[in-house]
Amino acid sequence: DVKVTQSSRYLVKRTGEKVFLECVQDMDHENMFWYRQDPGLGLRLIYFSYDVKMKEKGDIPEGYSVSREKKERFSLILESASTNQTSMYLCASSLGWRGPYEQYFGPGTRLTVT
Amino acid sequence: SQQGEEDPQALSIQEGENATMNCSYKTSINNLQWYRQNSGRGLVHLILIRSNEREKHSGRLRVTLDTSKKSSSLLITASRAADTASYFCATKNNNAGNMLTFGGGTRLMVKP
Repeated sequence: DVKVTQSSRYLVKRTGEKVFLECVQDMDHENMFWYRQDPGLGLRLIYFSYDVKMKEKGDIPEGYSVSREKKERFSLILESASTNQTSMYLCASSLGWRGPYEQYFGPGTRLTVT
Repeated sequence: SQQGEEDPQALSIQEGENATMNCSYKTSINNLQWYRQNSGRGLVHLILIRSNEREKHSGRLRVTLDTSKKSSSLLITASRAADTASYFCATKNNNAGNMLTFGGGTRLMVKP
């Protein structure tokens, strides 16, 4: 079974802090994704990566950056956390261009910025 | 941007009844997937239906796809209290690389 793990289930940070959210997958997947999930807004894609050191912006990249130095690890960085970044953050991975494209999700990190 | 839109947003049924959720989308797709999310957890992939398929079954799940209407439905038969969760459709669009576009989800409550 594919396993996607996230570094924290719950995180509380202060406004202006730099925040790192880590995601690790163990199935040699090429693609990795970061979403945020908010009530009434569903899942929104922040960034994704299709290979080491490669990244693409999703729908809402503002205020975030990412890093993928190793294939199994994809980090989401909040350079200066703000209260409007309080949310549930979900990491996912999937196989590469060959498909079949189903995504495997981590358990999520609930981030609160005060 | 959100393409898939689920209907209804919330559904409450008794154990043993069938639950039907619908999803509509706007652009041409390669496949459509359904995911389940238990409260406060990550999403779990349930079933994938390709654009050239019309119906697919997996246990108590039945998914249909009508590409002419750009819609899909997920039927859960003989529901159980453990089926209580949110259900999301996600589309793999033809021109969107490896990304999926998720809908807003249907919250299903199955009362024992």
